[in-house]
Amino acid sequence: AQKITQTQPGMFVQEKEAVTLDCTYDTSDPSYGLFWYKQPSSGEMIFLIYQGSYDQQNATEGRYSLNFQKARKSANLVISASQLGDSAMYFCAIDEVGSARQLTFGSGTQLTVLP
Amino acid sequence: DVKVTQSSRYLVKRTGEKVFLECVQDMDHENMFWYRQDPGLGLRLIYFSYDVKMKEKGDIPEGYSVSREKKERFSLILESASTNQTSMYLCASLPSGSGGLLTMNTEAFFGQGTRLTVV
Repeated sequence: AQKITQTQPGMFVQEKEAVTLDCTYDTSDPSYGLFWYKQPSSGEMIFLIYQGSYDQQNATEGRYSLNFQKARKSANLVISASQLGDSAMYFCAIDEVGSARQLTFGSGTQLTVLP
Repeated sequence: DVKVTQSSRYLVKRTGEKVFLECVQDMDHENMFWYRQDPGLGLRLIYFSYDVKMKEKGDIPEGYSVSREKKERFSLILESASTNQTSMYLCASLPSGSGGLLTMNTEAFFGQGTRLTVV
């Protein structure tokens, strides 16, 4: 089974609207972390948000929030009030502690914000 | 303010050459990773290391090897480059958590990437 699944290869959203990017994960490790990264066309990887498996509350960072549903193994990224600069590739990743730290990424979602 | 540095931004090599991609981090992180990024496939983990001289295979280790002789440096080696290894290569580093409980605001830091073309 894939450790990280992002089922939306491409998404469109109107400027100023909210958008949810889906991410499901698969792990048997009780200690893990979930990341979201943004990659604009320039290629750099920009850290957005992090959620630890023991965190009781959903992580938020400015316009970004992570909808963490542990029982469903889901960690969706919500972007509120989309901006044109949000157009980019978005990656979800899982960090499994285990005996060695393994950081695995999904295939990504290309988000396009429409004016 | 540079945290993770990859030795080259662009590289062109011939088939059969031995290729070294270098990655250096200045944050004293224990964990380092090498990925390749191809359109539609996301970032695929090649190898990772959680300590000096320690290495683990990722999802696609075939055709690659790694070296970590010092904590700050993690090298990816293509023993005999082939055209199907043409790709973007990304290095990342990550601090260790404590006692298995990951710290808040954990962030993996990435290098700027190396675009490797094998001809």
